[in-house]
Amino acid sequence: RKEVEQDPGPFNVPEGATVAFNCTYSNSASQSFFWYRQDCRKEPKLLMSVYSSGNEDGRFTAQLNRASQYISLLIRDSKLSDSATYLCVVSTPPGTYKYIFGTGTRLKVLA
Amino acid sequence: EAQVTQNPRYLITVTGKKLTVTCSQNMNHEYMSWYRQDPGLGLRQIYYSMNVEVTDKGDVPEGYKVSRKEKRNFPLILESPSPNQTSLYFCASRLKTGVNTGELFFGEGSRLTVL
Repeated sequence: RKEVEQDPGPFNVPEGATVAFNCTYSNSASQSFFWYRQDCRKEPKLLMSVYSSGNEDGRFTAQLNRASQYISLLIRDSKLSDSATYLCVVSTPPGTYKYIFGTGTRLKVLA
Repeated sequence: EAQVTQNPRYLITVTGKKLTVTCSQNMNHEYMSWYRQDPGLGLRQIYYSMNVEVTDKGDVPEGYKVSRKEKRNFPLILESPSPNQTSLYFCASRLKTGVNTGELFFGEGSRLTVL
């Protein structure tokens, strides 16, 4: 079983739609959680960190469920510019500074 | 401008010809790391460094070497490249804080092809 698993997609959605991605992780001792965005052949960039209480940044909402070991990303009112690959990233306990990346979920927003 | 700079961005080489991919950051970050990205496998960590003269293996260190003589630089060395090292490589850095919530800053990537 992979340490971090994501549905690879692609998710093809119309502009204005709401889309949700899930990501599961296997290490219950994982400490920190992130969503990164990666455009084709470009470097990943932090979209948002994921906090235990859930957090929102504009049209983006991230949730963490430690009991079930998954995190989610909700995108509301999708824009064409949201088309990208979304990477789920989990970091292991302090002292190792190890980041485990999911393989990513591709999103394509259609006009 | 805060950035992580990798060179070269693109390289085609032949099996066995030693090469170095340089990585430099101007943000005074203690932590630096190298990843490779392959289709269907995601980003996998090769080596990382917590500070000057401190390096450690990641998940896929075989065939690679690194050094950290200065805080800003973290070169990746392929002593004898092989075709299975054909990949997209990213260097990343972050502050070493007490709480492991820091953002990773990535370089633009180096696409390496080994023939």
